[in-house]
Amino acid sequence: KQEVTQIPAALSVPEGENLVLNCSFTDSAIYNLQWFRQDPGKGLTSLLLIQSSQREQTSGRLNASLDKSSGRSTLYIAASQPGDSATYLCAVIGGNQFYFGTGTSLTVIP
Amino acid sequence: DAGVIQSPRHEVTEMGQEVTLRCKPISGHDYLFWYRQTMMRGLELLIYFNNNVPIDDSGMPEDRFSAKMPNASFSTLKIQPSEPRDSAVYFCASSQGADTQYFGPGTRLTVL
Repeated sequence: KQEVTQIPAALSVPEGENLVLNCSFTDSAIYNLQWFRQDPGKGLTSLLLIQSSQREQTSGRLNASLDKSSGRSTLYIAASQPGDSATYLCAVIGGNQFYFGTGTSLTVIP
Repeated sequence: DAGVIQSPRHEVTEMGQEVTLRCKPISGHDYLFWYRQTMMRGLELLIYFNNNVPIDDSGMPEDRFSAKMPNASFSTLKIQPSEPRDSAVYFCASSQGADTQYFGPGTRLTVL
């Protein structure tokens, strides 16, 4: 069974810092990997989707990488802002099955 | 609890037909979410409800899509008229406040 782990569980950084969130998974046979943002009381917002054949995706200040062989993905956030404060989830997707990580709670301090 | 229940599990219909997807959230949960999954776009939030009231429907692709939640234990997502590009897996999820969202098994929709 696929297991997805996110480290760290919580992270607090001063505004303007670059940061990296980590996601690891145990089974490399995945269809794709998706990073989400979750704000309290709201639905999941998709940030980046990486197909299994891709190695990275970029959107604005966000860059996500995927290394299937090592079972790892990273989400890089450049020049962090207080508005980036949220919980970040990675999900490994195989067919109809979603395997969510436990999330990283990010706080960006003004 | 049986978890989030969705029906039907599979739906095949012809273009132009009306499609209704159903969801029963976990009892006691006050949030309900509808998502759509495609290989190209991954999982996308369509709409979500809090205490049966729609909060954000900005993810609904167009007017052909509508969602209702007449009571705390039932929600529908309707597509009228359906088009081939609507083919996807539609997920319903529920949560208690900002806690973990629990996903249903999904409805695989194929529009011919």
